[in-house]
Parts: sequence; C-alpha cells; structure tokens
Amino acid sequence: AQRVTQPEKLLSVFKGAPVELKCNYSYSGSPELFWYVQYSRQRLQLLLRHISRESIKGFTADLNKGETSFHLKKPFAQEEDSAMYYCALRGGSQGNLIFGKGTKLSVKP
Amino acid sequence: GAGVSQSPRYKVAKRGQDVALRCDPISGHVSLFWYQQALGQGPEFLTYFQNEAQLDKSGLPSDRFFAERPEGSVSTLKIQRTQQEDSAVYLCASSLSAGDNSPLHFGNGTRLTVT
Repeated sequence: AQRVTQPEKLLSVFKGAPVELKCNYSYSGSPELFWYVQYSRQRLQLLLRHISRESIKGFTADLNKGETSFHLKKPFAQEEDSAMYYCALRGGSQGNLIFGKGTKLSVKP
Repeated sequence: GAGVSQSPRYKVAKRGQDVALRCDPISGHVSLFWYQQALGQGPEFLTYFQNEAQLDKSGLPSDRFFAERPEGSVSTLKIQRTQQEDSAVYLCASSLSAGDNSPLHFGNGTRLTVT
C-alpha cells in the first residue's frame, strides 16, 4: 500500500538551530516525493520536490530509497519558517498525491 | 486567473442538507483534483479529472459524494444528505498537464461544518 508517514506532529526549535522534519514512505515502484508547506492563513504550496534536487528557502531534502525516507532539512531555522509541512508521494501516472499527516514547525525567537 | 479559486470559503450546513462546492482551476490546466482534509490530518484524495473526464473517483467516501467538471474547467463537488463526519476542509488543486511533471496548485479550500 502507498503510504506517507510523518512521525512528528509538532517540532519546536529556536531560531538559528538546525531543523529536520522526518518523512518515510511506502511504495513498491519509483516514487516521486514532494514537500508542501502551508503558512498561517495561506494555501498549501509546493516547497520542493526530489527530482529537482533544489534548495528552496534554505531547505533541502534527499530521497533515500534504502531507508524509504525523504527528510526535510535546514541548517539554520528562521521564525518565518514556522508553518505546517506536509510530505507527499506521487506514485501513479495521473498525478494524484498521497499526503502525510503533517508536521507543525514552530521556530521560537 | 491568478490561482485556483474555491467558493464558498466557509459553509455551514445542517445535517441532512445538500451542499455544492465550487472550484475554478487555473485557466488551461488539464488536471483537477479534489481532496478532503479533516482537522489535524493531511489532505486525502477524493477524485481526479482530466479535462471533463473523471478518471478516478476511488477516494469518494460514499455515494453521497458526487463531482463533475462538465466543460473541462470549473468543477463542482456535491455532497448529499450531509453528515457530521463530512465536516472538513475541501481542497481543490489543478495542474497544467496530466502525468508526472506538473506540480499541483491548490486553492484556499472550503471549510464545511455540518451541525
């Protein structure tokens, strides 16, 4: 079965500290993994995806097929990073996404 | 338009009422998705359209849920005889093309509360 697991409901760090939001997935084929972010009172928006191998707002994520993980990392958290973060998997050809339950990141001053 | 537009933003319905939720995707976007997001959960897939064709409705929780996109643009999600467990945020998303490479663009959602 296709599944995305985000084990932490809430992650609280201080400004300037490193942050890692965990994501594990279950999928038998070659998945496409995404991170979506939802800032307060804003719509869900794409942060990054693994095929682009890019860094957005200082965030990076590496797909580890051996560990079936796609953890989101940032070396120095900023207060404006506070938001809900959702890991998502796309495994089919039609583009549908399967989301995790989300992790709320709170960056304290 | 500037983005995916959903209306209404908020809807309160008494149990047993029918509701209709509207989604205006980004102009020219072929694919359209509906998701349901319960409180404290991630979005869960309901149904998918490619143009006017509903290619996947496997996520619709019951036959009270019905979606259409008759002209391949605007879509409506209808819920008949609403129940309290239908209370959730309903998200619409569109993407430029069918297939793997187009990112999904989400609307702000419609928050449905069934009393």
